[in-house]
Amino acid sequence: NAGVTQTPKFRVLKTGQSMTLLCAQDMNHEYMYWYRQDPGMGLRLIHYSVGEGTTAKGEVPDGYNVSRLKKQNFLLGLESAAPSQTSVYFCASSYSSQREFFGPGTRLTVL
Amino acid sequence: DQQVKQNSPSLSVQEGRISILNCDYTNSMFDYFLWYKKYPAEGPTFLISISSIKDKNEDGRFTVFLNKSAKHLSLHIVPSQPGDSAVYFCAASALIIQGAQKLVFGQGTRLTINP
Repeated sequence: NAGVTQTPKFRVLKTGQSMTLLCAQDMNHEYMYWYRQDPGMGLRLIHYSVGEGTTAKGEVPDGYNVSRLKKQNFLLGLESAAPSQTSVYFCASSYSSQREFFGPGTRLTVL
Repeated sequence: DQQVKQNSPSLSVQEGRISILNCDYTNSMFDYFLWYKKYPAEGPTFLISISSIKDKNEDGRFTVFLNKSAKHLSLHIVPSQPGDSAVYFCAASALIIQGAQKLVFGQGTRLTINP
């Protein structure tokens, strides 16, 4: 039982490049979330999903897209990376309206 | 607009003493509050939570207090241990749709327990 896993753990991009971050959970959770963590700002919600095939915008969605084609996977895409997207990205999943389980994070640097 | 605030970026406490971490919120629609603990290079892990209908919840060495009138909650750790050294995030929850929640996080407080 791996819980929530994220791929990759680290990535360096040049401005304008694209990439996809993968989140996978093996707990059969309905709800999945993508957050970014920046110094002094806590975690901010980017996008979330309440079930397979559904996605919605969170607090800071600009510059990101997501897809939930399978219940266990939630993908976060950056179509044209910008230095402002340098951050640590966390995926989370939950089975109820409260407690979320977080992945280990992806550290992304955009030069 | 920071709806959840942790005004102390850091806190240093002697081993064995009480650690008190504070959190304030502005939105009265929040109905559930959580504390997460985060070690470096790891994701946050759930620590303890409290519903808005309660004013106290206890789990071993950890107790969370909620003062709704003041829109304030606190986390007490007694006794503090070196392994408690981590960043603690306060989070407030409001339901969005279909039972999914939206968590709003504070900025975090770095707790250091000194031997």
